[in-house]
Order: sequence, then C-alpha cells, then structure tokens
Amino acid sequence: EVQLLESGGGLVQPGGSLRLSCAASGFTFSNFAMSWVRQAPGKGLECVSTIGGSNSMTSYADTVKGRFTISRDNSKNVLYLQINSLRADDTAVYYCAKGWGEVDPYYFDYWGQGTLVTVSS
Amino acid sequence: DIQMTQSPSSLAASVGDRVTITCRASQTISTFLNWYQQKPGKAPKVLIYSTSTLQGGVPSRFSGSGSGTNFTLTISSLQPEDFATYYCQQGYSTPPYTFGQGTKLEIK
Repeated sequence: EVQLLESGGGLVQPGGSLRLSCAASGFTFSNFAMSWVRQAPGKGLECVSTIGGSNSMTSYADTVKGRFTISRDNSKNVLYLQINSLRADDTAVYYCAKGWGEVDPYYFDYWGQGTLVTVSS
Repeated sequence: DIQMTQSPSSLAASVGDRVTITCRASQTISTFLNWYQQKPGKAPKVLIYSTSTLQGGVPSRFSGSGSGTNFTLTISSLQPEDFATYYCQQGYSTPPYTFGQGTKLEIK
C-alpha cells in the first residue's frame, strides 16, 4: 500500500525557514517523480516544485523560485522541501504527491495527508 | 505558463442529475489533462487521467473527454458522495504543472 506521510509544518515568522519532509513507502521511490503541491486556506491547488526520480531534474513555480529547494534521499525514501524567506502568502497546507512517471509526473496518483505551514508574526 | 480555466466555479445540483464541468487550456495540451476530486479537509484524489482514463476504483458514472484546449468532466448521475470540489490539471508542459481554479459542486 502506497503511503506518503508529511511532517515539518508549523507556525513560523515572516522571513523564517522550515524543512518539510515526506516519508514514502509501498512503492519503489526512486522510480517516480515527486512533487509538492500547496493549498492556501480556502483556495485552489498550486504545484510549487517537482523532482525527477533520479534527482536529475528539478523545477519550481515562479512564486517560489529562489526561496524553495526540493530534494530527495532515495536511500531513505524521503522527499524534502526547504522553504526559506517565508512570506504570509506561503501559508498553506503542503501536500506531497507521487507522480505517475519517472522523469515527469504527468499526474499525481497518490497524495499525503498534508502538513500546514502558517506564516505569521 | 499554461493557464487552466474551469467553468463554472460553482454549481448546485441534485442527486441523480447529470453534471458537466469544463476545463479550458490557454494552449494545446493534447490529451494530457487530469481530473481530481477533493472533499473538505482531505487530500485530492485522482479520478481521470489522460483525458478519459478512469483511475482504478473510480465509479463508471465519471467520464472525461476532449483534446487540444477543451475538456469536460461528466458525472452521469450524481450521488451524495460526489458533492466536492473538482480540479483539472495539465500534465503537458515542463513541470511544475498547473491546475484549474476548481469547481465546487454543491447540493441544490
């Protein structure tokens, strides 16, 4: 059974940093692209970052480029998102999502339960 | 970036109704269009991928069609558990992919 379990969210002040983690199980982690998708309160879905299965390709939404860094440890089956220079509009539930493909996700067939990041002073 | 626009943004319908939600892409995406259902407080769940292929376990009352820039999600006979928010997502461009703004399906 595929499981994705996010952690690392919390309350942080503007300008602060967080590292989100997503522990994956139930599939061969290194064979699939992974993404972080966020959802601000009462808003829609935004895919903020994607990483290929072998770490070869990463991509970022313009809204987070230069502040967020996606990475993965295929030996530990863990996906990460380092978030720096946090702003109020980064407040959201952050979901870890498994892609269908190895290099590009194409679509997301499994999602974690989400971790809430709240940016406030 | 490819923009995805859904219509309507909200929709009220009754159990048993046939419902259609439309998604339009700002440029051609071939058939790289996927649909998700999200219920309050829960993660999204994929319903349909590649325009018309049902994900395993999804009831056959859900169907999808389209190509190029215009796509539709149809629910043939609404059930109580179908009231939720639906999102389209393009998987054509270089990631990260973009989603539509969502369509909230409510009980009339």
